Amino acid sequence: KQEVTQIPAALSVPEGENLVLNCSFTDSAIYNLQWFRQDPGKGLTSLLLIQSSQREQTSGRLNASLDKSSGRSTLYIAASQPGDSATYLCAVRGGANNLFFGTGTRLTVIP
Amino acid sequence: SAVISQKPSRDICQRGTSLTIQCQVDSQVTMMFWYRQQPGQSLTLIATANQGSEATYESGFVIDKFPISRPNLTFSTLTVSNMSPEDSSIYLCSAPTSGLTDTQYFGPGTRLTVL
Repeated sequence: KQEVTQIPAALSVPEGENLVLNCSFTDSAIYNLQWFRQDPGKGLTSLLLIQSSQREQTSGRLNASLDKSSGRSTLYIAASQPGDSATYLCAVRGGANNLFFGTGTRLTVIP
Repeated sequence: SAVISQKPSRDICQRGTSLTIQCQVDSQVTMMFWYRQQPGQSLTLIATANQGSEATYESGFVIDKFPISRPNLTFSTLTVSNMSPEDSSIYLCSAPTSGLTDTQYFGPGTRLTVL
């Protein structure tokens, strides 16, 4: 069964810093990997989707990379802002229908 | 993209009762998914709901406890039956807009508290 791990579990940085969130998965047979943001008590907002054939995706200050062979992905956030404070989840899609989620990294950006 | 709405947004229920959660997508989708997020935990898939067929449940989830309807390509309901405090969670519905290689979108969730 696919297992997804995110490190660190929590991260606190001062505003303006660049930061990296890590995601690792045990089974490299994936269709794609998706990064989500979840605000407290809210649903999930999709940030970036990387197909298995791609190496990275960018959207604004966000850049996600995928190394399928080593089972790793990173989410890079440039020039962090207080509004970036949230929990960030990565999820991988393997066979069938399931998205396997990591336990998330809770990010706090301090003004 | 897809916009997914859920009703109710939250509810507080008594032990032994049932609650039906509604999920509406603003476009037709083949697959819809129901997830549970227990306090402090990540998301776990409950079942996959395809229009015109029985829902497919993941290990640990059964139809008697979580009956699902999927009457058309834009709507689904999840019922949490005979509730206990252990059912207190956020329940989220989700759908990819055009297949498994597409972005999966989520509703805002239903926060359920069982007393």
